[in-house]
Amino acid sequence: KAGVTQTPRYLIKTRGQQVTLSCSPISGHRSVSWYQQTPGQGLQFLFEYFSETQRNKGNFPGRFSGRQFSNSRSEMNVSTLELGDSALYLCASRGETRTDTQYFGPGTRLTVL
Amino acid sequence: GENVEQHPSTLSVQEGDSAVIKCTYSDSASNYFPWYKQELGKGPQLIIDIRSNVGEKKDQRIAVTLNKTAKHFSLHITETQPEDSAVYFCAANPSGGGADGLTFGKGTHLIIQP
Repeated sequence: KAGVTQTPRYLIKTRGQQVTLSCSPISGHRSVSWYQQTPGQGLQFLFEYFSETQRNKGNFPGRFSGRQFSNSRSEMNVSTLELGDSALYLCASRGETRTDTQYFGPGTRLTVL
Repeated sequence: GENVEQHPSTLSVQEGDSAVIKCTYSDSASNYFPWYKQELGKGPQLIIDIRSNVGEKKDQRIAVTLNKTAKHFSLHITETQPEDSAVYFCAANPSGGGADGLTFGKGTHLIIQP
C-alpha cells in the first residue's frame, strides 16, 4: 500500500498571505489528522477529519481550518499567515477507531517571511 | 487535557549499549501509547505501541513497558546501532467522547556513539 502523501513538500509565503496544504491518506483510511511541529512547541494536534466531518479540534486559532473530501483526501488552510506559523505540518491517517495506528506523511515545510 | 512529559531530551549511548526513554502522562483514561521515530527530513514513523490492557510488548530489539498505576511508560532499545540515531517521541491518546488527537512528548534526541 502507498503511504500518506503530502503536497507540496516545501512552501515559502509572506505574512498576510494564505496557504493550502494537501494530504492523501493510505487507501482505505477514512480518518485524517493534522499536526503542527515546531522546535519550541513540538508536535501539536490541529484537527481530525473523518468521513468529511471534523471530529475534533486542537487549541489553534480560527485562521487554521481544514476539510475532507469524499475520497478521504484532506486539505488544511491557514489564512493571514504570521511568522509564527512557520513549521512542519504533518498529516496522519488511520482506520476508524481511536486506537488504530496513525501513519504520518513526510510533512510540508512552511516558511513565512 | 492530557499532558505527556518525556525524559531525557538528549541521550547519548555507545553503540551496542541499551537506551531507555521514559514518559509520564496525566490522563488516567488514556489507553493507547505509541512511540514514533523521526529522522531528519521525514515524518514520524511508528516503531512500537502498547494498549492499556498490556504491561509489556517486545519487537526484536525494541520493547515498551507500561505502568498504569504510576501513569508512566518507557521505551527500551537494546544492542543499539548507528541507524537508531534519531528523535523519538512518545504519545498518549487522551480520553474523550470523540476521536481526540495524540498528545506527544517533547522528544528525545538519541545519539549512538560509534
